[in-house]
Amino acid sequence: DTAVSQTPKYLVTQMGNDKSIKCEQNLGHDTMYWYKQDSKKFLKIMFSYNNKELIINETVPNRFSPKSPDKAHLNLHINSLELGDSAVYFCASSPKESLSYEQYFGPGTRLTVT
Amino acid sequence: KQEVTQIPAALSVPEGENLVLNCSFTDSAIYNLQWFRQDPGKGLTSLLLIQSSQREQTSGRLNASLDKSSGRSTLYIAASQPGDSATYLCAVRQFLADSWGKLQFGAGTQVVVTP
Repeated sequence: DTAVSQTPKYLVTQMGNDKSIKCEQNLGHDTMYWYKQDSKKFLKIMFSYNNKELIINETVPNRFSPKSPDKAHLNLHINSLELGDSAVYFCASSPKESLSYEQYFGPGTRLTVT
Repeated sequence: KQEVTQIPAALSVPEGENLVLNCSFTDSAIYNLQWFRQDPGKGLTSLLLIQSSQREQTSGRLNASLDKSSGRSTLYIAASQPGDSATYLCAVRQFLADSWGKLQFGAGTQVVVTP
């Protein structure tokens, strides 16, 4: 009965590789997000999708490309991985794209680039 | 540019003591503020959400206050227990036309409650 799930939980890969992280929510929410938590523990938003439509795209490299096949899924594909991409990536969802709603977070994917 | 600061960065208290965690933000034009708990290797759990029009929110042993004009929020945890050990994050939601759902996080306060 997991609300927001991510796969994989851990990902270790070499520089230059392409990898994907998947996120699924079974809450019936309209809006999904990707956040990055760096080594200093700061969480920063990367992308937000509302009903499969991109609504927030922070300043992230073009190597990062989110894809939302339906409103329950938001995947993150990363091309040509770099050492600085090592971080924990969190997926989140909220009922609607409204400022007053809480966001619910997944368990995170720890990406290590060697 | 909004900056969110949490002081202290770490806190250790004996079981039974009350916890006081502080969060400050530089831009008072926020829509709401959310407190989260993060356990090691796990995701974030939402604890309390305070709308900008509210002064406080309570849930069980947790109470969060918000003073928007001074840019401060405080999370109180009464009668702390070892299970309260975690990192506590606050996040503010900006009231900007193009910032739907954008949360700005603090770095967190790491709490250890000793038996």
